[in-house]
Amino acid sequence: AQSVTQLGSHVSVSEGALVLLRCNYSSSVPPYLFWYVQYPNQGLQLLLKYTSAATLVKGINDFEAEFKKSETSFHLTKPSAHMSDAAEYFCAVSKQSNYGGSQGNLIFGKGTKLSVKP
Amino acid sequence: NAGVTQTPKFQVLKTGQSMTLQCAQDMNHNSMYWYRQDPGMGLRLIYYSASEGTTDKGEVPNGYNVSRLNKREFSLRLESAAPSQTSVYFCASSLRWGVNEKLFFGSGTQLSVL
Repeated sequence: AQSVTQLGSHVSVSEGALVLLRCNYSSSVPPYLFWYVQYPNQGLQLLLKYTSAATLVKGINDFEAEFKKSETSFHLTKPSAHMSDAAEYFCAVSKQSNYGGSQGNLIFGKGTKLSVKP
Repeated sequence: NAGVTQTPKFQVLKTGQSMTLQCAQDMNHNSMYWYRQDPGMGLRLIYYSASEGTTDKGEVPNGYNVSRLNKREFSLRLESAAPSQTSVYFCASSLRWGVNEKLFFGSGTQLSVL
């Protein structure tokens, strides 16, 4: 069965520092991978998605993620953290159907809360 | 730009009471979803509707029912609320059913069952 594991439920960085949020996935078919962000008291918003067109995916607000098949990873990075990046981040993988291939609904990781210190 | 609108935003129920969570989208999307979010659990899919006229169970459907009233509206009903259903509920929609589709989320309903 597919799954995603986000390493670290809480990550704290200083403003201006590198942000690295880790996500490892499990899927027996080529995965579709996503990162979503949830700001306090809001719904989730799509940051970026991997669809096999390119292994390095750029998203909004200078976030990017690199798909590494050999490591089954899809880590999210940002070169310089901003106070406004404080939020919870969710990695997600498309669910595999009973007949092989992927379905149009997602399995979410448990989330990583990012804190940014001034 | 309303997007996905959920009502109510907050609700407190007693065990055994029933209620319906409402969701409407104005983006002409075909697919709609209901998720619940619990601390440390991420989001789990309750039910989804790939297109108008269809609904299917997700990962945690027990204790819930849904209705796709029309293309815009997708409601979630708790027939007999239990404390285990205390959670934040999110409705989402996407243009179509597919592996590559972006989900648009509402702002959530915080439900407490006493």
